[in-house]
Amino acid sequence: EDQVTQSPEALRLQEGESSSLNCSYTVSGLRGLFWYRQDPGKGPEFLFTLYSAGEEKEKERLKATLTKKESFLHITAPKPEDSATYLCAVPNSGGSNYKLTFGKGTLLTVNP
Amino acid sequence: EAQVTQNPRYLITVTGKKLTVTCSQNMNHEYMSWYRQDPGLGLRQIYYSMNVEVTDKGDVPEGYKVSRKEKRNFPLILESPSPNQTSLYFCASRAGQETQYFGPGTRLLVL
Repeated sequence: EDQVTQSPEALRLQEGESSSLNCSYTVSGLRGLFWYRQDPGKGPEFLFTLYSAGEEKEKERLKATLTKKESFLHITAPKPEDSATYLCAVPNSGGSNYKLTFGKGTLLTVNP
Repeated sequence: EAQVTQNPRYLITVTGKKLTVTCSQNMNHEYMSWYRQDPGLGLRQIYYSMNVEVTDKGDVPEGYKVSRKEKRNFPLILESPSPNQTSLYFCASRAGQETQYFGPGTRLLVL
């Protein structure tokens, strides 16, 4: 069974304190890994897609990396506005690329 | 502006009373999907559609129906809602491997 596990469940940082969020997956034949940001009561907002091990993508203070078993979302010098839940998702193995499995997310709080 | 819209945004209903949540996108996307989000369980896919008249089950399809008669619309139908369908629902759309856009969500309470 495909699984996506995110850790930690919650992370509290001081403004400027860099850290990383983890997304580990057990799917065969990875066909992409997606990162989203979700603010309370709102729909997830797309951040990145990664397709192959070694790939990296950056957006402002965020950098996503991918290995064969996990992905990291690195947050450099975070600001309070980076506070949100960060979700990762992968297409299910052995089937349609449109069927996605999401992790439960990491709730990030950045204190000023 | 590219967007996915859902209606209603909030709904309180009673057990057994049929309801429909509408979803519409203005980006001419082939792919649309419905998710529910529950505390501790995360986002789970209910149904998805690869194009007009083509739909398939996600991970939690029981108690739900969908239809895709037009490319822009993908309504979610609860024929006989039950309290365990109380949840936050999201519609999403994308074209191929491109960015997936989510709607603003519909908060449903079934009494």
